[in-house]
Amino acid sequence: EVRLVESGGGLVQPGGSLRLSCAASGFTFSSYWMSWVRQAPGKGLEWVGNIKSDGSEKYYVDSVKGRFTISRDNAKNSLYLQVNSLRVEDTAIYYCTRDLFASSNTVVDNWGQGTLVTVSS
Amino acid sequence: DVVMTQSSDSLAVSLGERATISCKSSQNLLYSSNNRNYLAWYQQKPGQSPKLLIYWASTRESGVPDRFSGSGSGTDFTLTISSLQAEDVALYYCQQYYSTPPTFGGGTRVEIK
Repeated sequence: EVRLVESGGGLVQPGGSLRLSCAASGFTFSSYWMSWVRQAPGKGLEWVGNIKSDGSEKYYVDSVKGRFTISRDNAKNSLYLQVNSLRVEDTAIYYCTRDLFASSNTVVDNWGQGTLVTVSS
Repeated sequence: DVVMTQSSDSLAVSLGERATISCKSSQNLLYSSNNRNYLAWYQQKPGQSPKLLIYWASTRESGVPDRFSGSGSGTDFTLTISSLQAEDVALYYCQQYYSTPPTFGGGTRVEIK
């Protein structure tokens, strides 16, 4: 069974930073592209970015470029999202997700339960 | 970025009746070289993470009941629930993956009439 467990969310002031982590199990982590998708409270879904199976390619939505960094450690079956210079509008549940296809064309076939990031003074 | 529009924020359907959810994209999602539409549908039940229902506009994900079907091509797509069940009450999102960034529609809430 595929399992994705996020951690690291919390309350942070505008301009602050967090590192979100995702522990993956139940599949060969190193074979899959992985993404982060977020959902503001009561709102829709927004893809944040993804990373190739070997970490050699990364893509981001424009609104987070230069502030967020996706990384992975295939030896630890872990995915990370470093979020810097946080803004109030970054408040959301952040989902760790597995991509269905081995390409940058993202379709998510598995989702974690999410971790809530709240940006507020 | 490709804009995905779901025209209905919500719809109410009687149990056992058909539910039809529409989605339009601002750009063509049909890739001519493989004749595939880069369109997926997700279901999000209250308090849960989303779940993949359909990709390539009409391919059901493993384990998805066959009352769910997807259709359409180019810029106009439809998710149909042929006979609504109580457990189908949820938000439904379309998503394009033709170009980066992948983008989602605003969601359509399906309720029981």
